[in-house]
Amino acid sequence: EAGVTQFPSHSVIEKGQTVTLRCDPISGHDNLYWYRRVMGKEIKFLLHFVKESKQDESGMPNNRFLAERTGGTYSTLKVQPAELEDSGVYFCASSRGRTSWETQYFGPGTRLLVL
Amino acid sequence: KQEVTQIPAALSVPEGENLVLNCSFTDSAIYNLQWFRQDPGKGLTSLLLIQSSQREQTSGRLNASLDKSSGRSTLYIAASQPGDSATYLCAVRDKGNTPLVFGKGTRLSVIA
Repeated sequence: EAGVTQFPSHSVIEKGQTVTLRCDPISGHDNLYWYRRVMGKEIKFLLHFVKESKQDESGMPNNRFLAERTGGTYSTLKVQPAELEDSGVYFCASSRGRTSWETQYFGPGTRLLVL
Repeated sequence: KQEVTQIPAALSVPEGENLVLNCSFTDSAIYNLQWFRQDPGKGLTSLLLIQSSQREQTSGRLNASLDKSSGRSTLYIAASQPGDSATYLCAVRDKGNTPLVFGKGTRLSVIA
């Protein structure tokens, strides 16, 4: 079974540019989460999809961040326009959603640097 | 608001030592607690998941305990090996299928 994959692995952009991150969850997983870790801080939740619907987006920092999950498969996270404080590692995780206690499987992350 | 603290932030031990990593959380009404391992440049690998009704979980040389009432968990690693070097993260979930709340992690180095 393939794990959670994320693309790109690294991205370096200038302030004001747009970046789109992609996450492919494990096949059959209904739940998809986005998390972010900025330098020196803990990993923090951004949002949660159940299939194609946003279940919880309380962690999204502002309206420069837009997440989509078309068809309930892969998800994209767009940052437009990017600011310096958006630099960090963006993780995606997925879980089946069949039981309430199951673990989340994490991808390797996308390392974003905004200059 | 749930907050998770991990102590120490970094730890260096000689190979073969037994060690304990600590995790504390502010709101004891958790659903479950999970320990992860992160290797440099890699994603998070789940090590152990403890439900709120459980006291401990074991996997090989790893043992995680949970004391919900005091808001604490420990991860015990027996007979440490250089391959155990990684960052260990503790995360709690307040309800089923909700996001995880993470600590900053403990960076472990096991010296051969």
